[in-house]
Amino acid sequence: GAGVSQSPSNKVTEKGKDVELRCDPISGHTALYWYRQSLGQGLEFLIYFQGNSAPDKSGLPSDRFSAERTGGSVSTLTIQRTQQEDSAVYLCASSFTARGGAGELFFGEGSRLTVL
Amino acid sequence: AQSVTQLGSHVSVSEGALVLLRCNYSSSVPPYLFWYVQYPNQGLQLLLKYTTGATLVKGINGFEAEFKKSETSFHLTKPSAHMSDAAEYFCAVSPGGYQKVTFGTGTKLQVIP
Repeated sequence: GAGVSQSPSNKVTEKGKDVELRCDPISGHTALYWYRQSLGQGLEFLIYFQGNSAPDKSGLPSDRFSAERTGGSVSTLTIQRTQQEDSAVYLCASSFTARGGAGELFFGEGSRLTVL
Repeated sequence: AQSVTQLGSHVSVSEGALVLLRCNYSSSVPPYLFWYVQYPNQGLQLLLKYTTGATLVKGINGFEAEFKKSETSFHLTKPSAHMSDAAEYFCAVSPGGYQKVTFGTGTKLQVIP
């Protein structure tokens, strides 16, 4: 079956431009995460969607970052007025969650963003 | 709230030697614990997980981890390192249910021939 799909796989943009990164989670997965992984760094949590609940946005580094999840499925991470420090790999993960359980996260291959 | 501490951002072992990657967690409820692996230029994949029951958990590629509640630890081990084990390893904790998973900062494992 299809895994988590992210697009684009690579994006090069100029400083100040806006970018959109897309994540298609596994069908039926209720939870969706966005992480950022800068060169040589670990995983930086950005945002968490769980079903119809309000998203946990506590990891978004600035108001230039936003994300939405339409219809409980596809998610888009938007970075406005990109800066060079935004250069990183942006990872999306999804899982099936249920009361009393803890689902495995399935990760996409990531979107590599380079801001010139 | 929960947190994860991985001791050692970089670990080097000789091929054939024991691999030990340390993970300590903090959780206000009985945790679910995970180890993920990221091979170079790839996404993360699950190595093993602890939910309930047996505290020694076996995963893929000969790795295992033991949940020790008294020590709040979930260290990852492998008796004999292989060159193909070179990767970054992430420990993660979740309270379960609909609450989010929290990752540690990762440990890069280098295997020396």
